[in-house]
Amino acid sequence: DAGVIQSPRHEVTEMGQEVTLRCKPISGHDYLFWYRQTMMRGLELLIYFNNNVPIDDSGMPEDRFSAKMPNASFSTLKIQPSEPRDSAVYFCASSFRLGRGHQPQHFGDGTRLSIL
Amino acid sequence: DAKTTQPPSMDCAEGRAANLPCNHSTISGNEYVYWYRQIHSQGPQYIIHGLKNNETNEMASLIITEDRKSSTLILPHATLRDTAVYYCIIGSNFGNEKLTFGTGTRLTIIP
Repeated sequence: DAGVIQSPRHEVTEMGQEVTLRCKPISGHDYLFWYRQTMMRGLELLIYFNNNVPIDDSGMPEDRFSAKMPNASFSTLKIQPSEPRDSAVYFCASSFRLGRGHQPQHFGDGTRLSIL
Repeated sequence: DAKTTQPPSMDCAEGRAANLPCNHSTISGNEYVYWYRQIHSQGPQYIIHGLKNNETNEMASLIITEDRKSSTLILPHATLRDTAVYYCIIGSNFGNEKLTFGTGTRLTIIP
């Protein structure tokens, strides 16, 4: 089975440019999470969706960041305009809810973003 | 969510059992203990979770103390591929809500 698919794997761009990160969750999963990982701050949750609806975006750093989930099989995280401090590895994860049982989050391989 | 305390790093000889401790003294009654690990350059990987009973799966065993204030993740026969950062996370089991990753324990398996 295909896991969570993220693209691109690597992105290098100049400050001020728009960056769009993409994620395809595992089919059948109804939760989708976006995380950011840096050496200084570790792994942080930015936002998560349930059934394509944003549930908690309290981790989104500022208005330059936006996330959408137009359908169950696709999500984007956009940064506009980008700044050097946005350089990080961005992970997408998905999971599903089965009653009250915990279902693990499955992570993609991440997008390594460098803003020059 | 309850906070966790883990040692920053540990070494373990290949083939031996790796025992990773986690303190979570402020855990509440409906919160679970989850363990994930992150191998270099990869996304985190789920290992195991539990409430108050010991749990075992194909990857590891989880031992939770009776007062639930601490737990230990056991990798019974560590291999070099188990070298990773291991995260102990406390969270609710009510839905797949957010997980707060701390700094974890960097486990190095020594040949």
